Amino acid sequence: EAGVVQSPRYKIIEKKQPVAFWCNPISGHNTLYWYLQNLGQGPELLIRYENEEAVDDSQLPKDRFSAERLKGVDSTLKIQPAELGDSAVYLCASSLAGPQETQYFGPGTRLLVL
Amino acid sequence: TQLLEQSPQFLSIQEGENLTVYCNSSSVFSSLQWYRQEPGEGPVLLVTVVTGGEVKKLKRLTFQFGDARKDSSLHITAAQPGDTGLYLCAALPSGTYKYIFGTGTRLKVLA
Repeated sequence: EAGVVQSPRYKIIEKKQPVAFWCNPISGHNTLYWYLQNLGQGPELLIRYENEEAVDDSQLPKDRFSAERLKGVDSTLKIQPAELGDSAVYLCASSLAGPQETQYFGPGTRLLVL
Repeated sequence: TQLLEQSPQFLSIQEGENLTVYCNSSSVFSSLQWYRQEPGEGPVLLVTVVTGGEVKKLKRLTFQFGDARKDSSLHITAAQPGDTGLYLCAALPSGTYKYIFGTGTRLKVLA
């Protein structure tokens, strides 16, 4: 069974440019998460989806970050405009139904903003 | 803000040695998880503990949840180079549905 797929794996952009990350969760998983992980730190939740509904986006910086999960499957996370401090790894995870279920993480997208 | 502090931050040991990693907080948690993350990959779940005082074993790894459900430890016996990675604890605060992650312990086992 395929795991969580993320693309691109790496992205280098200049500050003030837009960037988008894509995530395909494990088939049948209703819950999808986007996390931010700074170097040497644990992941921090940005947003959690239950199907197509964003049920927890309290940690998402809404002035520059946006996310969508159309049709309740794939999801995209966008930053516009990117800032130097956004350089980090962006992890996507999915679980069967709800945060009490085991989360399966993708490999992440490593973003470098110059 | 609820924080999960892990210690030590870094650990470099020789193959065959034993080690213990700690995850501490002042908050009570419904459950606690341990993950291992290798470079360029996402975290992979090792174990979930839910009962105060619970001990779980996974081959050479022993996980313990504190009696008061505020802390946890991970003990590795006879460490091997394949144990190298970032060990993360994650806990679910009581009454919430959002896991928070610890600061991580980076382990390197030298052959």
